[in-house]
Amino acid sequence: QKEVEQNSGPLSVPEGAIASLNCTYSDRGSQSFFWYRQYSGKSPELIMSIYSNGDKEDGRFTAQLNKASQYVSLLIRDSQPSDSATYLCGGSNYKLTFGKGTLLTVNP
Amino acid sequence: AAGVIQSPRHLIKEKRETATLKCYPIPRHDTVYWYQQGPGQDPQFLISFYEKMQSDKGSIPDRFSAQQFSDYHSELNMSSLELGDSALYFCASSPATIEEDAGYTFGSGTRLTVV
Repeated sequence: QKEVEQNSGPLSVPEGAIASLNCTYSDRGSQSFFWYRQYSGKSPELIMSIYSNGDKEDGRFTAQLNKASQYVSLLIRDSQPSDSATYLCGGSNYKLTFGKGTLLTVNP
Repeated sequence: AAGVIQSPRHLIKEKRETATLKCYPIPRHDTVYWYQQGPGQDPQFLISFYEKMQSDKGSIPDRFSAQQFSDYHSELNMSSLELGDSALYFCASSPATIEEDAGYTFGSGTRLTVV
């Protein structure tokens, strides 16, 4: 079992819709969580980080962390075609461990 | 702002050859991480260094070795290359204590092709 699991995807949403990405983790030692966006052949780019239980909003992005349920999510509001990419959920316990990623396609 | 610099960007090697990948972290970042990403796969953690000492080890083959130098740059040495080593190799850096919203910063990667 991977330390970080992303089982949703690939995900396809129309432009302007809300995209919901989910991830669970098994390492209770993980203290911080990250969502990275990766375009094909490019390096991962940090979208959001979340350290505390609850919601964290940054523009069109909202991350949610529930440590009791070991669950992390990312909501993308008003999705744009430029948001089309693979989204990697990562948990950090002295190193960053990724889930397998969710491919998001936003259709114009 | 300075980013993580990786070289070379592309590398083509034959089977059984040796390759060396280099990573220059962001200034004042004392921790370096190496990842391997095969086609359609997520980045797999290989190894990390903190203050020039190995801090963690993941799924790194015995044929690979790495070190961090006094100027904090790191090199990943890969010997007896196999076709399956063809992948994107990313280096990331961070300070020892990662501030929220800072995260781990990734370099542009080295694409290694073994033929």
